[in-house]
Amino acid sequence: DVKVTQSSRYLVKRTGEKVFLECVQDMDHENMFWYRQDPGLGLRLIYFSYDVKMKEKGDIPEGYSVSREKKERFSLILESASTNQTSMYLCASADGAVGEQYFGPGTRLTVT
Amino acid sequence: GENVEQHPSTLSVQEGDSAVIKCTYSDSASNYFPWYKQELGKRPQLIIDIRSNVGEKKDQRIAVTLNKTAKHFSLHITETQPEDSAVYFCAAKSQGGSEKLVFGKGTKLTVNP
Repeated sequence: DVKVTQSSRYLVKRTGEKVFLECVQDMDHENMFWYRQDPGLGLRLIYFSYDVKMKEKGDIPEGYSVSREKKERFSLILESASTNQTSMYLCASADGAVGEQYFGPGTRLTVT
Repeated sequence: GENVEQHPSTLSVQEGDSAVIKCTYSDSASNYFPWYKQELGKRPQLIIDIRSNVGEKKDQRIAVTLNKTAKHFSLHITETQPEDSAVYFCAAKSQGGSEKLVFGKGTKLTVNP
């Protein structure tokens, strides 16, 4: 079974703080993704990575950066958290040849 | 880039009825169309997918149809059960290049006992 884990289920941070969200997958997948999920807006792609140290912007990259130093780990960074970044953040991984994305349990981030 | 529209946003059916959720996509180069189910408080999980060389695919009570000419695809759930209650997302992936999926905004399905 593919296992995708995220570092925290719930996180509360203050405006202006630097926030790190970490995602780890154990299936040697090339592709990893970060989404945010907001009611009525579905799943919106923030960034994805198709290889170590490789990344591409998704649809809403503003205010975020990512890091992929090892194949199994993909980090999302909020350089200076703002209240409009309060959301559910979902990580996913995929074997590029197959296509199915496996999601982590999500991190509910609240920025106050 | 690709744009995926999903309808309806909410759907309520009686147990045993059928449910249909429809999606349209804009990029004629898209060739992979998965459907994800997200139960309350849980992560999205793939329930069925279809590739552009196939017109229909079935898995027990779930089926997906694809009309490439019209650029739309649909999820059909027959004999609905309360455990089918969830949010369903359609998605599309373009051929070649980027591996990213573009998701619809989701449909909240409620199956009333």
